[in-house]
Amino acid sequence: DTGVSQDPRHKITKRGQNVTFRCDPISEHNRLYWYRQTLGQGPEFLTYFQNEAQLEKSRLLSDRFSAERPKGSFSTLEIQRTEQGDSAMYLCASSPGLTSSYNEQFFGPGTRLTVL
Amino acid sequence: DAKTTQPNSMESNEEEPVHLPCNHSTISGTDYIHWYRQLPSQGPEYVIHGLTSNVNNRMASLAIAEDRKSSTLILHRATLRDAAVYYCIKGRNKLVFGAGTILRVKS
Repeated sequence: DTGVSQDPRHKITKRGQNVTFRCDPISEHNRLYWYRQTLGQGPEFLTYFQNEAQLEKSRLLSDRFSAERPKGSFSTLEIQRTEQGDSAMYLCASSPGLTSSYNEQFFGPGTRLTVL
Repeated sequence: DAKTTQPNSMESNEEEPVHLPCNHSTISGTDYIHWYRQLPSQGPEYVIHGLTSNVNNRMASLAIAEDRKSSTLILHRATLRDAAVYYCIKGRNKLVFGAGTILRVKS
């Protein structure tokens, strides 16, 4: 068990460019979550998947953000036409997705995005 | 989703117990109370959770008020490695984080 991994760890981009982040959850974890964290704040929920189905998406998430989990394993988060306000740490987490017991979330190290 | 209420920061001496309070007056009957912590430059990590009864694990204890509107995370002997931001969260599937409590541990 290597834990949740995220790639890249750091990304610097210019305003208006598109960026894509990848998250590899713990093997056999059915649920995958994306969060965003800005300096001094707690993580903010963006979206989550149960296998390949996207079950919930935050109302705060603009149409420029899209997430996929096509085969129910890794996930990608794409931000189109980046803005300076998108600069943040993007965190991915996974959990077993068990229906009958508690699901602890395991977080990855995050991808730090800087939009110039 | 209403967030919980926690003090902005707390300070403790090393090797002493720490009691981190949390108010969650709008909690529903099916909501868990979760505690996660975030060390500098890392993603959050799970500490403990509970529903109605007090809970103990290797990291901490969780004391839940009888009306479930508040809870206290107890670190029995704080170490320098416990210095982190501690988040108290109510809910089921997704975690709705507040700003948390910054815990400083003095040697």
